[in-house]
Amino acid sequence: NAGVTQTPKFQVLKTGQSMTLQCAQDMNHEYMSWYRQDPGMGLRLIHYSVGAGITDQGEVPNGYNVSRSTTEDFPLRLLSAAPSQTSVYFCASTGQGDGYTFGSGTRLTVV
Amino acid sequence: GENVEQHPSTLSVQEGDSAVIKCTYSDSASNYFPWYKQELGKRPQLIIDIRSNVGEKKDQRIAVTLNKTAKHFSLHITETQPEDSAVYFCAGTSGGYQKVTFGTGTKLQVIP
Repeated sequence: NAGVTQTPKFQVLKTGQSMTLQCAQDMNHEYMSWYRQDPGMGLRLIHYSVGAGITDQGEVPNGYNVSRSTTEDFPLRLLSAAPSQTSVYFCASTGQGDGYTFGSGTRLTVV
Repeated sequence: GENVEQHPSTLSVQEGDSAVIKCTYSDSASNYFPWYKQELGKRPQLIIDIRSNVGEKKDQRIAVTLNKTAKHFSLHITETQPEDSAVYFCAGTSGGYQKVTFGTGTKLQVIP
């Protein structure tokens, strides 16, 4: 039981490049979310999903897309990277009524 | 949506003393309040949670209290140890358990 697996752990992008952050969970959790963490700003919700085929926007969705084709996978796509997207990104999942299990995070730098 | 405020942003205590972190929330429909601990460079990890039908919950040196009327909840750590040093986040929920809003975090330093 691996929990929540995120890849890559580190990434450097040039402004304007696109990429996908991968997230997979093996706990059969319905709910999955993406957060970004910036110094002094806590964890801010980007997008979330309540099940396969269903996604919704969080607090800071601009510049990001998500899809949920399977229960296990919830990739986050950066459409055209900007320096303001430099952050640590966490994927998290939960079954109904429990706290989140977080992935190990992706540290993204946009230059 | 939910708004969660957390205080203080930093907290220093002597080893063995108690630490208290307080949070307020805005959505009266919120019914689940987890607390997470994040050590430097690591992922947040759930340490304790409380549901709206309970006023207090304890787990060894950690306790959480909830006041629904005032819409605030608190984390209490007793007999603090150096390994308690970390950033602690409170959280509230809206629209069900899946949409979690976090506080801005409290950096706790336990001084040996």
